[in-house]
Amino acid sequence: QITLKESGPTLVKPTQTLTLTCSFSGFSLSTSGVGVGWIRQPPGKALEWLALIYWNDEMRYSPSLKTRLTITKDTSRNQVVLTMTNMDPVDTATFYCAHSETYPHVVLDSWGQGTLVTVSS
Amino acid sequence: SYVLTQPPSVSVAPGKTASISCGGNNIGSKAVHWYQQKPGQAPMLVISYDTDRPSGIPERFSGSNSGNTATLTISRVEAGDEADYYCQVWDRNIDHVIFGGGTKLTVL
Repeated sequence: QITLKESGPTLVKPTQTLTLTCSFSGFSLSTSGVGVGWIRQPPGKALEWLALIYWNDEMRYSPSLKTRLTITKDTSRNQVVLTMTNMDPVDTATFYCAHSETYPHVVLDSWGQGTLVTVSS
Repeated sequence: SYVLTQPPSVSVAPGKTASISCGGNNIGSKAVHWYQQKPGQAPMLVISYDTDRPSGIPERFSGSNSGNTATLTISRVEAGDEADYYCQVWDRNIDHVIFGGGTKLTVL
């Protein structure tokens, strides 16, 4: 059974850097074809894909946010970390991590519960 | 950049069929995936690769994709199907994952 769980601060100040951790079980990020991605959802709005990292260290980023995002993995600890710099109130959202194993396609077949991050001074 | 267009809302009576569209330029050439998101919950995959149902998804859920429109069809709609539905593709040209704007399904 695949499970994922997001963790990190619930409140960050404008201009700060957000660091979120996705801890997972039920699969390995060393298995061919496997990836973990991040998606965010502002309150009452649509899903927005942010980034994804694969078993082979390949990384994909949203073109519109690429300069602010970094995604890394720690295979031994079963974790994926997302950092987003220069946070702004418009970045307030629920952040989800999700599993995919359909490289190069992206099918997000398991999701974490999400974590709400509020950006406010 | 590639854009997926969904109707903001669809309403259907219980027991009837709901169709949710996802429009995109030549979307028929791409693999479309659909997610269901109930209030306060994370999204859940209900259709992958246009027509495939993951394990545990009722047969009432089906998908199609041709030309410029992909469609999620829910037959014999139940109250429990009330949710937001999102289509998603991976654009290989720009290596970008794209979601549609979402459709709120209301069961009357």
